[in-house]
Amino acid sequence: KNEVEQSPQNLTAQEGEFITINCSYSVGISALHWLQQHPGGGIVSLFMLSSGKKKHGRLIATINIQEKHSSLHITASHPRDSAVYICAVGEYSGGGADGLTFGKGTHLIIQP
Amino acid sequence: NAGVTQTPKFRILKIGQSMTLQCTQDMNHNYMYWYRQDPGMGLKLIYYSVGAGITDKGEVPNGYNVSRSTTEDFPLRLELAAPSQTSVYFCASSYFAGGRTDTQYFGPGTRLTVL
Repeated sequence: KNEVEQSPQNLTAQEGEFITINCSYSVGISALHWLQQHPGGGIVSLFMLSSGKKKHGRLIATINIQEKHSSLHITASHPRDSAVYICAVGEYSGGGADGLTFGKGTHLIIQP
Repeated sequence: NAGVTQTPKFRILKIGQSMTLQCTQDMNHNYMYWYRQDPGMGLKLIYYSVGAGITDKGEVPNGYNVSRSTTEDFPLRLELAAPSQTSVYFCASSYFAGGRTDTQYFGPGTRLTVL
């Protein structure tokens, strides 16, 4: 069973700062997902990646398969980025996907 | 497209009662999942389905049952509710083909309290 660890658990920063959230996992995966959850809200997928780097707006996600590590970066952070960011990994078993194994999340607060 | 919808949004149950959480997706996804989210813990997989008529247990299936009679619907049944089942439940779906799975799309969640 994969173990997914995120750091930091909590992060408070000032508007405009560069944010990095880290995720490590223990067993080889098929894909890694970064998700966003606003307080009391639903869960939105930000990225799914199995190698390299992806960018969407001010968000950048990278993954190093050999080191079993991924990072989520937020450039020019804004108070609306305040949310819980969740790392999750997918593994295949037999002919299909087993669902995701999740980290506990990083609670990010961006102060104006 | 409505995406993934869940009903109800909130529910309070008494110990021993039963209920069904409904989940419907209109994206023609073949894979569907049920997760629960407890405070301070990561989401955990309860059950999943790879297509109509096919379901399998996840990490925490005890106390739950599922069925998948159509591609669109994946209801989760709680029998004999217990306080330990107090949680937020998320349904999700994705498309799997050619050895690759796609992004998972989540429903808005059902907040269940068992008293």
